[in-house]
Amino acid sequence: AQSVTQLGSHVSVSEGALVLLRCNYSSSVPPYLFWYVQYPNQGLQLLLKYTSAATLVKGINGFEAEFKKSETSFHLTKPSAHMRDAAEYFCAVRSTGTASKLTFGTGTRLQVTL
Amino acid sequence: NAGVTQTPKFQVLKTGQSMTLQCAQDMNHEYMSWYRQDPGMGLRLIHYSVGAGITDQGEVPNGYNVSRSTTEDFPLRLLSAAPSQTSVYFCASSYLMTGRETQYFGPGTRLLVL
Repeated sequence: AQSVTQLGSHVSVSEGALVLLRCNYSSSVPPYLFWYVQYPNQGLQLLLKYTSAATLVKGINGFEAEFKKSETSFHLTKPSAHMRDAAEYFCAVRSTGTASKLTFGTGTRLQVTL
Repeated sequence: NAGVTQTPKFQVLKTGQSMTLQCAQDMNHEYMSWYRQDPGMGLRLIHYSVGAGITDQGEVPNGYNVSRSTTEDFPLRLLSAAPSQTSVYFCASSYLMTGRETQYFGPGTRLLVL
């Protein structure tokens, strides 16, 4: 079975501050990991994905995530938050051999303040 | 390409009514899936399909039916709507090939069951 845990349902940062959104996964086989972003009243958009190549993955809009097998983590970071980053962020895991089935975390809502 | 399209955008039903949520994709993706999104619960997989004529249950299939007669379309049917099915529904599609498994999401259908 596969699962993800996102620590913190709400995170608030000041504009220009570091963004850190936490994701821990559980998978019995090597996982593929994804971060998606959802802006208000929209569908989900892929930010980045890890598929067993480089452990540091760069995505769109200045976000990146590092796969740490020893910590079973895939935290999302951005050095400097912008107001436009305010959205809900979802971590998801897909175990190899599971026909593209994704298991999502419960989401973290990022608030960016002036 | 239109990507993944969903209709309707919003629907109100009375308990016991039936309806079909439509989903179509024009990317020739083999894999299609339906999720429901509820506050604090992330996205949960309802049903999925790995090709025309092949469907399977996800995490929360009760009360929903699907079929896949073509590669492009994957409708979700509610046979007898219940208030517990009030949710936002997302359709997603992807290739099955490793390395091309990124899922693309539609804009969602917001369903209210009274």
